[in-house]
Amino acid sequence: AQRVTQPEKLLSVFKGAPVELKCNYSYSGSPELFWYVQYSRQRLQLLLRHISRESIKGFTADLNKGETSFHLKKPFAQEEDSAMYYCASRGAGGYQKVTFGTGTKLQVIP
Amino acid sequence: SAVISQKPSRDICQRGTSLTIQCQVDSQVTMMFWYRQQPGQSLTLIATANQGSEATYESGFVIDKFPISRPNLTFSTLTVSNMSPEDSSIYLCSVNRAGDEQFFGPGTRLTVL
Repeated sequence: AQRVTQPEKLLSVFKGAPVELKCNYSYSGSPELFWYVQYSRQRLQLLLRHISRESIKGFTADLNKGETSFHLKKPFAQEEDSAMYYCASRGAGGYQKVTFGTGTKLQVIP
Repeated sequence: SAVISQKPSRDICQRGTSLTIQCQVDSQVTMMFWYRQQPGQSLTLIATANQGSEATYESGFVIDKFPISRPNLTFSTLTVSNMSPEDSSIYLCSVNRAGDEQFFGPGTRLTVL
């Protein structure tokens, strides 16, 4: 079964400091990994996915199969980055359910 | 992308009653998913709904409690039956297309008194 672990419930950083939100996964096949973000009073939205290898809003995430990790990173935090971040996995093939981690609340202190 | 709307956006209900949540998508999709997000917790999948077949429920969720309809490729309903305060949660409709991202509706915030 898929399992996604986010060890930190809350991460507080100062504006301009580097950010790393941790995510580990367990899956028997080759899952797709995602990061979703939920800003205050807004719906859940996709931030990035590992297969696209792109940087969104300065965030990047590298899939490390050896460590089964997909940590989210940003070199310089901005106040507008404050939100809930969810790591998620989906089985390969598209028509699979998405399993979410418990989420990490990022708080950027001005 | 997919635009998803849900009705109602929120409701306050009495214990023992039922509430039906509607989900409308602006394009045809094969699979629709219903999630629950309890206060301070992550999203938990309730069931997967395919058009023309019975929904597939996850462990811990049963059809009698959460009946689902999927009459066509753009619409689904989730009913929360015989509600108790433990059912207070945000219920989210979600869709994906093969190889595409998962899109989420705005959610229905349910409070059971």
